Amino acid sequence: AQSVSQHNHHVILSEAASLELGCNYSYGGTVNLFWYVQYPGQHLQLLLKYFSGDPLVKGIKGFEAEFIKSKFSFNLRKPSVQWSDTAEYFCAVIPLGNNRLAFGKGNQVVVIP
Amino acid sequence: DTEVTQTPKHLVMGMTNKKSLKCEQHMGHRAMYWYKQKAKKPPELMFVYSYEKLSINESVPSRFSPECPNSSLLNLHLHALQPEDSALYLCASSQLSGDQPQHFGDGTRLSIL
Repeated sequence: AQSVSQHNHHVILSEAASLELGCNYSYGGTVNLFWYVQYPGQHLQLLLKYFSGDPLVKGIKGFEAEFIKSKFSFNLRKPSVQWSDTAEYFCAVIPLGNNRLAFGKGNQVVVIP
Repeated sequence: DTEVTQTPKHLVMGMTNKKSLKCEQHMGHRAMYWYKQKAKKPPELMFVYSYEKLSINESVPSRFSPECPNSSLLNLHLHALQPEDSALYLCASSQLSGDQPQHFGDGTRLSIL
């Protein structure tokens, strides 16, 4: 079964700092990759997704992620965070032809004003 | 606002009660999912329905009984739950193609007394 690893579960940073969250997956075949965000008390929302093509994908709210196939990674970045980016961030992977979505353990991000 | 509607938003029940959680979507999605999410943890897949047929049951105890009456509705019937079943129960839907993201509802916050 595929697994998804997210490191540094708790991240605390100041406004305007840059954010990078790592995501690695263990699956040898073709996968589709997602980052979801869950703001306090809200539902999971899709930030961005990668299926094919340009490995640098841009999502909502200034987030971007880069797929590096050789490293089995899909890291999320934002150059300058805001207090409103305080949330839980989940990386998720689904193998092609499968509808079993595997989540990482998540990153709790707290942005201090 | 999410396009997947879950009711009720909160539910408190005793261990001998019978209750149902409901989920509705009108996006024409033919795959629907139930997840269980504990605080600060990623969602855990429980059930998947494809074309109104149960396709995945992740070894969920029989006190949880899913039902998909039609392509827009998904129910989760609860009976004789345990305190450890207290959690946020999330419904999601997607196109059946694995490269389409899942859309999540706000969830039902369930507390077992």
